[in-house]
Amino acid sequence: AQKVTQAQTEISVVEKEDVTLDCVYETRDTTYYLFWYKQPPSGELVFLIRRNSFDEQNEISGRYSWNFQKSTSSFNFTITASQVVDSAVYFCALSDNNDMRFGAGTRLTVKP
Amino acid sequence: NAGVTQTPKFQVLKTGQSMTLQCAQDMNHEYMSWYRQDPGMGLRLIHYSVGAGITDQGEVPNGYNVSRSTTEDFPLRLLSAAPSQTSVYFCASSYTGKSNQPQHFGDGTRLSIL
Repeated sequence: AQKVTQAQTEISVVEKEDVTLDCVYETRDTTYYLFWYKQPPSGELVFLIRRNSFDEQNEISGRYSWNFQKSTSSFNFTITASQVVDSAVYFCALSDNNDMRFGAGTRLTVKP
Repeated sequence: NAGVTQTPKFQVLKTGQSMTLQCAQDMNHEYMSWYRQDPGMGLRLIHYSVGAGITDQGEVPNGYNVSRSTTEDFPLRLLSAAPSQTSVYFCASSYTGKSNQPQHFGDGTRLSIL
């Protein structure tokens, strides 16, 4: 069965620090997709990135980067030089077929 | 662009009452889904639909019904509300049901059952 584990419940950093959010997943499928979503204090869910199981290239988008390692079933998310606006709950999700499973989320607080 | 619209935004019900949460999307998406979000548990899939006339159960379907008579609408029905159904409910849609599609979420409905 699918499972997504985000072991870090809450993380607090000071602005400009780098922070990594961990995501570990379980699936029996060879074809699957991994996602990260952001939920700011306003409550909406914002799509950040999608990665398929055949593409292990790391990706960088501005201050955001993602490290996908199939060998350890991990899809970690790093924010470089964090800002107060990065404060949010971040969800990692795994999708195969029509079923998407979310992790419990990591609440990131960035203090000025 | 409206995207995914959920109504109402807030609702309080008494145990045993019934209610329908509305969800509409204007993006001509085939796939629609309902999630509930509870503290410490992330989002859990309740029901989903891959197209008009087709629905299926997700991870936590008990106590909820859905129907998909049109592409645009995907209402979620609570037949007899229970305190355990107190949660924030999100509707989402994507172009297809293929697992590579990112989902577009509504703003959520906060539901309290007394």
